[in-house]
Amino acid sequence: DAGVIQSPRHEVTEMGQEVTLRCKPISGHDYLFWYRQTMMRGLELLIYFNNNVPIDDSGMPEDRFSAKMPNASFSTLKIQPSEPRDSAVYFCASSTMVGGPLGNTIYFGEGSWLTVV
Amino acid sequence: GEDVEQSLFLSVREGDSSVINCTYTDSSSTYLYWYKQEPGAGLQLLTYIFSNMDMKQDQRLTVLLNKKDKHLSLRIADTQTGDSAIYFCAETSGGSYIPTFGRGTSLIVHP
Repeated sequence: DAGVIQSPRHEVTEMGQEVTLRCKPISGHDYLFWYRQTMMRGLELLIYFNNNVPIDDSGMPEDRFSAKMPNASFSTLKIQPSEPRDSAVYFCASSTMVGGPLGNTIYFGEGSWLTVV
Repeated sequence: GEDVEQSLFLSVREGDSSVINCTYTDSSSTYLYWYKQEPGAGLQLLTYIFSNMDMKQDQRLTVLLNKKDKHLSLRIADTQTGDSAIYFCAETSGGSYIPTFGRGTSLIVHP
């Protein structure tokens, strides 16, 4: 079975440019999460969706960040304009959240490694 | 303060046991998890324990839960170089299924 698919795997961009990260969740998973991982702050939950609807975006750091989920099989995380402090690994993850420890397991993609110079 | 706390680094010799510790604050935690992140990859569920259990063993892995002290540990017996990774503690509580993750403990296994 295909896992969570993210693209691009690596991106280097100049400060001020727009960055778009893409994610395809596991089919049948109706929860989708965006996380950011840095050495300084560890793993941060940015936003999550349920049935394509954003439920909690309190982790989104600034208005420069936006996320959309136009359908059940696709989500984007956009940074505009990007800044060097946005350099991090961005993970997309999905789950069924049907309850129980295995039902609540979150499946992570391999991450998008973003460097803003 | 953080809801789930872990030390950031642990270094062990190959063949020794590793013990990774975690503390959490929410007394209504229902499930507690250990996720493993190998270099260059995303997190994967390693094991879990119900909050009404004290211990769970799975091959080389032993999870211990002290609910009174809100302390969770992961013991890896006969640690191998392939165990080098970041280990995340996570918990779910109350009516929310969304886990809260710790910052992760980097396990370094040297020969």
